[in-house]
Amino acid sequence: SQTIHQWPATLVQPVGSPLSLECTVEGTSNPNLYWYRQAAGRGLQLLFYSVGIGQISSEVPQNLSASRPQDRQFILSSKKLLLSDSGFYLCAWARSGELFFGEGSRLTVL
Amino acid sequence: SQQGEEDPQALSIQEGENATMNCSYKTSINNLQWYRQNSGRGLVHLILIRSNEREKHSGRLRVTLDTSKKSSSLLITASRAADTASYFCATAASGTYKYIFGTGTRLKVLA
Repeated sequence: SQTIHQWPATLVQPVGSPLSLECTVEGTSNPNLYWYRQAAGRGLQLLFYSVGIGQISSEVPQNLSASRPQDRQFILSSKKLLLSDSGFYLCAWARSGELFFGEGSRLTVL
Repeated sequence: SQQGEEDPQALSIQEGENATMNCSYKTSINNLQWYRQNSGRGLVHLILIRSNEREKHSGRLRVTLDTSKKSSSLLITASRAADTASYFCATAASGTYKYIFGTGTRLKVLA
């Protein structure tokens, strides 16, 4: 069966510090991968999606970036965090039009 | 801009009552999906309805789709306290892999 792992689960970072959130999928190959961000009490904002290794589509201009160094690994990064980067980050993979989500990473930027 | 919009934003009902949530979207789609999110958790897929379907059932869930109005509804029958969660619709424009979520409906079922 397929599983998705996302870490760290919780992160508190100072403004200006770097960020790296990781997501890996097991049990499938060549999945479409997604990063979403959710502000408190709000909907999901699509940040990046990838249909293959090295293929990243960015949906929102900001100080975040994404990389897919391996088929089932998706990384969200920032060189310098802003206060507005705080939120709940969700990784997902897609199969037959359905999305399967990780448990999320809660980022607080102070 | 976000493709899906949902209403109501929040809904509070008594256990045993039915809950109806609505979703509107903007472009042609291949399918529409509904997800559930418990507080602080990831989203869980509930049901997918294809663009050539008008209604679909899964247990206590009933989903309708009206492509002419670009809208969908999710009905939860005989609600339970455990149904308390946020519910989101999601669509991807035909020919794309971009899944856009609605703003969500926060459902509270009172025991």
